[in-house]
Parts: sequence; structure tokens; C-alpha cells
Amino acid sequence: NAGVTQTPKFQVLKTGQSMTLQCAQDMNHEYMSWYRQDPGMGLRLIHYSVGAGITDQGEVPNGYNVSRSTTEDFPLRLLSAAPSQTSVYFCASSLSQLTNQPQHFGDGTRLSIL
Amino acid sequence: ELKVEQNPLFLSMQEGKNYTIYCNYSTTSDRLYWYRQDPGKSLESLFVLLSNGAVKQEGRLMASLDTKARLSTLHITAAVHDLSATYFCAVDRGSQGNLIFGKGTKLSVKP
Repeated sequence: NAGVTQTPKFQVLKTGQSMTLQCAQDMNHEYMSWYRQDPGMGLRLIHYSVGAGITDQGEVPNGYNVSRSTTEDFPLRLLSAAPSQTSVYFCASSLSQLTNQPQHFGDGTRLSIL
Repeated sequence: ELKVEQNPLFLSMQEGKNYTIYCNYSTTSDRLYWYRQDPGKSLESLFVLLSNGAVKQEGRLMASLDTKARLSTLHITAAVHDLSATYFCAVDRGSQGNLIFGKGTKLSVKP
């Protein structure tokens, strides 16, 4: 089982560059989310989606865009990278609310903005 | 605004000892989750707690939920080195794609 796959695993960007972090899941999960993890801050929700074509903002959405054109994929776009976006990014997915199952996390993307 | 607070944030234990990590949250929620994270790794689900009085156990870890007090505990019994990790609690805001995490408790178990 592939589970939740994130690419790339590591990335270094220059300030002002744009890029897309990829996230794919093969479990037919409805719910998908993006979090960032910073030292001492826990995980903070950036954007989430409850199904294809539906997305919403989390706690820290500024500077990021998402779309959900298919059930499987949920890419995260950095529009103009800033050093404050240096972080570890995790994508997660889960089945519908009715199943009460936990979110499954990908291995993360470690992003550095110079 | 939903807030989740864990304490302690750092915990150094000796092997064989017992201890409890606390997770307080500020507003009503339907579900509470506990996750484990090893350094440089992803998050692994430990427990999902759904109702008041729920108790779940796996090995040396036991989690409980008191929805009236808005408190969950993660109890560690007879700690071993392999339990060294960071433990997070998280609460959902009505959607399982929308979790609020505590800052985590970094546990170090020493011989």
C-alpha cells in the first residue's frame, strides 16, 4: 500500500520563487489536509478539502493555494516563497467523518527558503 | 477559537516509571486523537477517542477522554526507551480534515 505520497522530500528555493508540493493518496479518502510543522509550534493546518472540488482555509493559509480536481491528488502551491515558509510540510488524508478513522500522514516535504 | 494545550512540553523519564501527559482543549469537539512522531519521521496514529469516558490501551500506553472537563490524558506505564518520541494530541473542528494540534510533548526515556 502506497498510502499518502508526498513529493519532493526535500527542496531548497530562493525567495520569490514559486513551486508546488505534490500529495497523492490511493486509499479513496475523502478528506485531505496540508499542515506545516515548525519547531515548538506543533502542526498547523494550512488548507483542507472534504472532497473533490471543495477546499477551505485552515489556520495559516496566507501565501498558499490549493485545488482538488480529483479524489487522489491535493497539491499545495507556494505563490512567492518567503523565508517564513521554511518548514516541514505534511499532507494527510482520512475517510469520511462517519468512519471515525484517524488521518494518515505522508512522510513530509522539508522546504528551505533562502 | 479552538485551542489545544499539552503539558508538559518536555518530559524526561527513567525506565520503569509511570507518567501522564495532559491535553486540554477549549471548546466542544467530537473526536480527539493521539499521535506519535519519531525524530525526522511522519506522524503515526495511536488512539482515536470518540466519547466521554472513552479509554483505549495499547501496550504501555493508555489514553482517556473526559469531554466535560475537555481533558484527555495519555498514561505511560513502566516506560521503556522505545517510547522516546514526541506525542501530539489533536482535536477536530467538526471535520476530520480540520485538526488543531497541541504543541507536542517530547518524551525522553533514559535507562
